[in-house]
Amino acid sequence: GDSVTQMEGPVTLSEEAFLTINCTYTATGYPSLFWYVQYPGEGLQLLLKATKADDKGSNKGFEATYRKETTSFHLEKGSVQVSDSAVYFCALRVRGAQKLVFGQGTRLTINP
Amino acid sequence: NAGVTQTPKFRILKIGQSMTLQCAQDMNHNYMYWYRQDPGMGLKLIYYSVGAGITDKGEVPNGYNVSRSTTEDFPLRLELAAPSQTSVYFCASSSTQGRQNTEAFFGQGTRLTVV
Repeated sequence: GDSVTQMEGPVTLSEEAFLTINCTYTATGYPSLFWYVQYPGEGLQLLLKATKADDKGSNKGFEATYRKETTSFHLEKGSVQVSDSAVYFCALRVRGAQKLVFGQGTRLTINP
Repeated sequence: NAGVTQTPKFRILKIGQSMTLQCAQDMNHNYMYWYRQDPGMGLKLIYYSVGAGITDKGEVPNGYNVSRSTTEDFPLRLELAAPSQTSVYFCASSSTQGRQNTEAFFGQGTRLTVV
């Protein structure tokens, strides 16, 4: 079946540090890949997405590249801010399917 | 710009009680979903709907029911609440453009505690 595995959290960094959150997937078809972010007390918001191999999604300084050869979609940011503190979810949707499959989420805390 | 609206935001139920979680979207999306979020477990799909009058089970449907009488509304019903249903519930919607399914928009969630 389809599944998403994220790096274990929680992750705690200092402001301006470099961030990587690992995400790997298994899929029965050709998936689209997503990163969603959940700020405290809120629902999930789409952060970025990529729909085909070698695509790079980017938003708010975050980037992720769709790597078909390693079945990965790692999230990166060069310099994190306190306001980036949130839970980050990697997700996939196989083409033609209706549902999103989520990873378990990674809680990120940025200290000033 | 209401998007996806869920009510209530919080609820405490006693074991065996029933309740309906409401979800409404104003984006004319054909797809709607219910997920539950348990700590450290990500989101699990309960039920989904591809349009009015059509619903289908997700990964964890037991103990829940849904209906989709209109495009806008997708209520989730708990008939006999159990402690295992303590969770945060998210409703989401999306649409199709051609053969592509667009991004999902989520409500703010309903935190349910069953005691």
